Parts: sequence; structure tokens; C-alpha cells
Amino acid sequence: AQSVTQLDSQVPVFEEAPVELRCNYSSSVSVYLFWYVQYPNQGLQLLLKYLSGSTLVKGINGFEAEFNKSQTSFHLRKPSVHISDTAEYFCAVSTSSNTGKLIFGQGTTLQVKP
Amino acid sequence: NAGVTQTPKFQVLKTGQSMTLQCAQDMNHEYMSWYRQDPGMGLRLIHYSVGAGITDQGEVPNGYNVSRSTTEDFPLRLLSAAPSQTSVYFCASSYGVAGGLRGTGELFFGEGSRLTVL
Repeated sequence: AQSVTQLDSQVPVFEEAPVELRCNYSSSVSVYLFWYVQYPNQGLQLLLKYLSGSTLVKGINGFEAEFNKSQTSFHLRKPSVHISDTAEYFCAVSTSSNTGKLIFGQGTTLQVKP
Repeated sequence: NAGVTQTPKFQVLKTGQSMTLQCAQDMNHEYMSWYRQDPGMGLRLIHYSVGAGITDQGEVPNGYNVSRSTTEDFPLRLLSAAPSQTSVYFCASSYGVAGGLRGTGELFFGEGSRLTVL
């Protein structure tokens, strides 16, 4: 079975500062990894995904993440955040045998302060 | 494009009542699923379906039923509501599985249904 751990429940940061949201996963088979963002009172939308190939993936809104197989991590980064990035962020994992299921982490609330 | 549509957006129930949360998608996606979101617990999978007529349980299936008679619709039924089922429910769909021959496994979500059980 797979599991996902997001290491920080809340991350406060000042506007224009860099940020890293941490995600670790556990799986005995090859994984596919996703980051989703949820703005207040909305559903989730995809930020970026790692399926194969380059371990550095770029997503929307200037976010990027790096897949590190040896450390079983998939941390999300942004070099300079904006107030509008304030949201909850979810890391999720799937495998080829999961038949469309994603397993989500607990979520990290990013609070961008002026 | 409508995408994934959930109804109702808000609902208040009394303990013991039953209800159905509706979910419809217009993207011809094979895979559909229901998650519940609770503070500090992320999203937990309730039930999922890999196609019409095929459903299976997720992590937290107790107290919920699903059926998939068409590709488009995937309703979630609460049989006898309990306060522990107070939550925000999300329906999601995807075209294929990650690593599969089609699609990428990306889930498309509805806007959620907020349920309160008194």
C-alpha cells in the first residue's frame, strides 16, 4: 500500500520570499506523484505531476517540484510567492495498479503575508 | 465545459436521514471517485469506479453506497446519516490511470458538497 506524508501542516511566509512544501511518500512499487492546490471554498486543481522522465517538473503559477527516488520525496517549491498563492496544497501518489485512485497527504496550508 | 458537477453544494441532515449526493461528468471519463475532506486529514477515498457497472471500496466506505449505471453519473448515497459523516465531499474523474496507455491519471474535481449532520 502507498502512503503520503506532508511534513508541515502550515507554512507562513512573507510575500516575494521563496517557499518549499515538503512531501514524502511510501511505496513498494513505482509511483506517480501529483501536487494539487485548493483555494478557499473551491475544489482541487492540478499544479503539476511526475509520471516519468526528468525528475524536475514544472507546473502552473511558477511552481516546480523535484522527484527524489532515493529519499522518497516530492517537494514543491516556488522562488517568489504572491498573496494569491495562499491556499491549501495536497501531495498525492498513485501507481499503475491503482486503477485511477490517488492517495492524498494531509495537506499544507500556505499563508502568504504582505 | 461543465467538467464535474456536484449537487447539492450544501445540505443539512438529521441523524438517521438518508440522502444522495449527485455527481456528473461530461468528459467521457472512465474513472470516477468520491473523497471526503476533513480538517487535518486530507482527502480520503470513499468509493471509486473504473467504468459503468464496476465499483469498489476505498479507505472509508462504511455508511456509504455507490452505483455506476452510466459513464456520466456516480451518485453517493448516505444510508443513515451520522454526525461523523459531517464533511466536505468531492467527486472526481479521470480519463485514464497514471502510467497507462491513455491519459495521465490526473483527477478533475467538482466544487464539493458540504454536508452537516445534526
